[in-house]
Amino acid sequence: AQTVTQSQPEMSVQEAETVTLSCTYDTSESDYYLFWYKQPPSRQMILVIRQEAYKQQNATENRFSVNFQKAAKSFSLKISDSQLGDAAMYFCAYRGNAGGTSYGKLTFGQGTILTVHP
Amino acid sequence: DGGITQSPKYLFRKEGQNVTLSCEQNLNHDAMYWYRQDPGQGLRLIYYSQIVNDFQKGDIAEGYSVSREKKESFPLTVTSAQKNPTAFYLCASSRASILKPQHFGDGTRLSIL
Repeated sequence: AQTVTQSQPEMSVQEAETVTLSCTYDTSESDYYLFWYKQPPSRQMILVIRQEAYKQQNATENRFSVNFQKAAKSFSLKISDSQLGDAAMYFCAYRGNAGGTSYGKLTFGQGTILTVHP
Repeated sequence: DGGITQSPKYLFRKEGQNVTLSCEQNLNHDAMYWYRQDPGQGLRLIYYSQIVNDFQKGDIAEGYSVSREKKESFPLTVTSAQKNPTAFYLCASSRASILKPQHFGDGTRLSIL
């Protein structure tokens, strides 16, 4: 079974600074997808960024970028120029592509609470 | 606008009572999912359905039941067999393609009276 681990329960950053959230995962599959979701106090789950495992190039979405290290099974999220609105719980998630009845399932990490200080 | 609607937003259950959480989507998505979130924890998969009239158990299905009679609807019943139902429940949907991300509803908070 796949597992996703976020080792930082809480992180904080000053507004306009850069912060990196860590995520590691364990899988025996070679083809899969990784996601970062943001959950603000409203509890809505918002997709931040995604990475296809077959792509070597790291995904970027405006101020958000990832450092995907497939051999190390590491998938960190970097937030540049942090804003007050970035404050939220961030979840790393894994989605396999092995087919069968487990196809499409998301496995989540425990989450990291990000605080942004003005 | 297309989206996922969960209702009610808050729900209270009495001992020995079954309650049903509603999830409706108008995104024409094939797959639908139910997750449970406990305080300070990640989401855990309860049940999921990739097609109408078919569904599979997730990681924590005991004490829950679902149905998928229509493409747009995937209700979750929390039965009296679920001894610790207090949690935040999130419904999600996606297209069948693995490339498509899951879209989430706004959630239902279930508490025990």
